[in-house]
Formats: sequence, C-alpha cells, structure tokens
Amino acid sequence: GAGVSQTPSNKVTEKGKYVELRCDPISGHTALYWYRQSLGQGPEFLIYFQGTGAADDSGLPNDRFFAVRPEGSVSTLKIQRTERGDSAVYLCASSGSGASTDTQYFGPGTRLTVL
Amino acid sequence: AQSVTQLGSHVSVSEGALVLLRCNYSSSVPPYLFWYVQYPNQGLQLLLKYTSAATLVKGINGFEAEFKKSETSFHLTKPSAHMSDAAEYFCAVSDQRYSTLTFGKGTMLLVSP
Repeated sequence: GAGVSQTPSNKVTEKGKYVELRCDPISGHTALYWYRQSLGQGPEFLIYFQGTGAADDSGLPNDRFFAVRPEGSVSTLKIQRTERGDSAVYLCASSGSGASTDTQYFGPGTRLTVL
Repeated sequence: AQSVTQLGSHVSVSEGALVLLRCNYSSSVPPYLFWYVQYPNQGLQLLLKYTSAATLVKGINGFEAEFKKSETSFHLTKPSAHMSDAAEYFCAVSDQRYSTLTFGKGTMLLVSP
C-alpha cells in the first residue's frame, strides 16, 4: 500500500516568509510524528499527534512553529517568520497506534531552504 | 533524558567484510531500540528493533543486532557487506513512557569493491 508522503519535496523561501509543509500518513495510522534533520545530524523530534490532538509538542523550538491535524489524518507543519537556521529536512512519520513498540514509517521528507 | 551515541561518523569496509556499526544508549528506564537505514534521497527505513523480547534481533537484508544491558549497547552487524549496503545508518531509542524516537547522529557506511 501507499507509504507516508510529504509535499513539497523541496521548498525554497526567503527569510521572514511563512511556509507550510504537508504530510499524508499511512491510511488508518492514528499516530503522526514530525522530526527535523539538520545537515550531519540525526532526526530530532518536533511534535507528536495522537488522532487530532497534539500529544507532545515539547520538541517545537519556539512559537514560530505550529502544526495541525484537524481530521486525524493529514498534518500540516507551519513555520512563521522563517529564519536561515530553520533550513533542514523536515520528516514526517506515522505508526499504527502510537505505542512505543510500533514501527514508525517515515516519508521522504521536505527539504526547506531559507535564503 | 534519553540519548544515543554512534561511534564513528563514517565506517569503510570492503565488499564481503564484516560490518559493525556501534550504538550506545542512555536511558533511565528499560529502552526500546531501533536501527534505521537511509539511502540517498529516500526516507528512513526500519532495519530492526528491540522491544524487550529476544536480545538478539534479526532484521532485513541480513543485519542483526544484540541488546546488551550491561554495556548499554545495541551494535549492528552483518557478516558480509554488499555494495548495496552503502547508506547512512541511524540508531534510535524510545521507552514505554514516550514513543517519540531519540536518534544518534548517524554512521555513513562506505563499501568498496
């Protein structure tokens, strides 16, 4: 079946602009995660949704970052007033129930470049 | 807080040689441990995971890893490297309290003919 998809695959924006990154999880998966991967680093957790609600947003770096999942499937990560330091690959993952033993299935990522 | 240390940002082996990628973790509660592989321009793919059953875990593509509590390690091995194994490998940890993954910085595996 279809895996996790993310759009766009690449996004170039200017400092100060607003961007939205979209994630389509595997159908039926209730848990959805956003991670950020900077160059030369492993992915770092941003936010975790269980259904429509954010179960853990402790990884969001500041209030410029916000994410929603209004119907419990597609999620959008929103970044306001982008800064050059926001440049990274943003990864989305989903899992069946959100149990710690579940496999998280990752999308290909969105590469964000802030000029 | 959990953490993962992967020794060696790059590991080079010859085709047919043993692959050993090191992972050490820190966790205040019993951990769950994962190895993911990332091929160029692709998403992370699960190789194997330890979730408190057997300590020797077998994964895809001939890889395996052994959970050693006394050494806080979860090293990844493969008896014979293949050219197609060249990729970046990430070790990650979670636990029964939190399903979010904490990743190491990754190890790039280079395989030469």
